Amino acid sequence: GAGVSQSPSNKVTEKGKDVELRCDPISGHTALYWYRQSLGQGLEFLIYFQGNSAPDKSGLPSDRFSAERTGGSVSTLTIQRTQQEDSAVYLCASSQQGDSGELFFGEGSRLTVL
Amino acid sequence: KNQVEQSPQSLIILEGKNCTLQCNYTVSPFSNLRWYKQDTGRGPVSLTIMTFSENTKSNGRYTATLDADTKQSSLHITASQLSDSASYICVVTHYNNNDMRFGAGTRLTVKP
Repeated sequence: GAGVSQSPSNKVTEKGKDVELRCDPISGHTALYWYRQSLGQGLEFLIYFQGNSAPDKSGLPSDRFSAERTGGSVSTLTIQRTQQEDSAVYLCASSQQGDSGELFFGEGSRLTVL
Repeated sequence: KNQVEQSPQSLIILEGKNCTLQCNYTVSPFSNLRWYKQDTGRGPVSLTIMTFSENTKSNGRYTATLDADTKQSSLHITASQLSDSASYICVVTHYNNNDMRFGAGTRLTVKP
């Protein structure tokens, strides 16, 4: 596709369940980022993938959060044993040049934990 | 304390009027400063990106300015339209580690 694609666009789950959020970056973009945006708040960095380098996981809030990027393309963010405070919009962005390049964001996945 | 502070938190203006949004930062040294527009329920879209050596960048009715000495940036919107209603986010990238710091955004509402 022409842009960053995220799925699902909306996810409602029960507390304690695991969820997986998917991000398809723009083809050829080597850098991929995950952010979390709570209602009315700024973007919170979660994790950063750049090419074949080890990901920067410094933003992951707990060990319930993990992410992988297969084949340098599609990424999956997994949240285990979801809690109500995990409710937020999870945004994925990709860039051709890492941090020096323009970031292209997906539309986000809205997660609601009941 | 957030390294990128935006003001005002929210702003309401009438269609056709101009407005200026502020971004103050403490990130130092920095490599670039970006402004994004985020419509409700959508992902942010880039408006401008300025390196530390640039002091102004325009994109249609949007003009961003940068004063690296005072560590301030502003986004000026001219002849506002209803479609300008959105959150505007300032992002500053650290020069040494490429760490990006996001402001909390300014929520702009343009009324007819």
